[in-house]
Amino acid sequence: DTGVSQNPRHKITKRGQNVTFRCDPISEHNRLYWYRQTLGQGPEFLTYFQNEAQLEKSRLLSDRFSAERPKGSFSTLEIQRTEQGDSAMYLCASSLSEQPQHFGDGTRLSIL
Amino acid sequence: GEDVEQSLFLSVREGDSSVINCTYTDSSSTYLYWYKQEPGAGLQLLTYIFSNMDMKQDQRLTVLLNKKDKHLSLRIADTQTGDSAIYFCAESTQDDYKLSFGAGTTVTVRA
Repeated sequence: DTGVSQNPRHKITKRGQNVTFRCDPISEHNRLYWYRQTLGQGPEFLTYFQNEAQLEKSRLLSDRFSAERPKGSFSTLEIQRTEQGDSAMYLCASSLSEQPQHFGDGTRLSIL
Repeated sequence: GEDVEQSLFLSVREGDSSVINCTYTDSSSTYLYWYKQEPGAGLQLLTYIFSNMDMKQDQRLTVLLNKKDKHLSLRIADTQTGDSAIYFCAESTQDDYKLSFGAGTTVTVRA
């Protein structure tokens, strides 16, 4: 499978715990994006990397959120001290420069 | 998002054509996209159109762009049960890499 891969597919955790998601982009893609999707809505942009550089973070990305792409390949998204409002589907996408973005199947986060 | 609007639901009979409409507000939009999302899955890129085009056809899919009215449509010919899904319209600008999505149109195909 040469598509965008996200792990885990589902994560259930208690409020206040930390969680980390991983995204493996399509291998030759230099750009990697994170989006969040809540029920009944379209995805909303969170942050973006070009190679290993994080170039923008949305207002939606509070101080509890951090994303990394240390070697310009896979990326991780960490949420510290999770809150009920963090429950959502977290989607990763990748692209080759300005080409269209291709999405993974997402990680669904449920906060108990 | 607020900049992209879509009707929420569409019901269509199997074999008929489906037309999904989208309006956007950003006049600097460069690319406009249609993505499909099935339950529990991510978004699948269906097609996209550059803003200097007014039509693009790809097998059963036809995209029409009216740049003056900032209106985009996706026509699916000979709609099948496998076309039942949520369809998202999205736009991006030349200087801005991130996609802005509508809330999605849920298409239900009935026999």
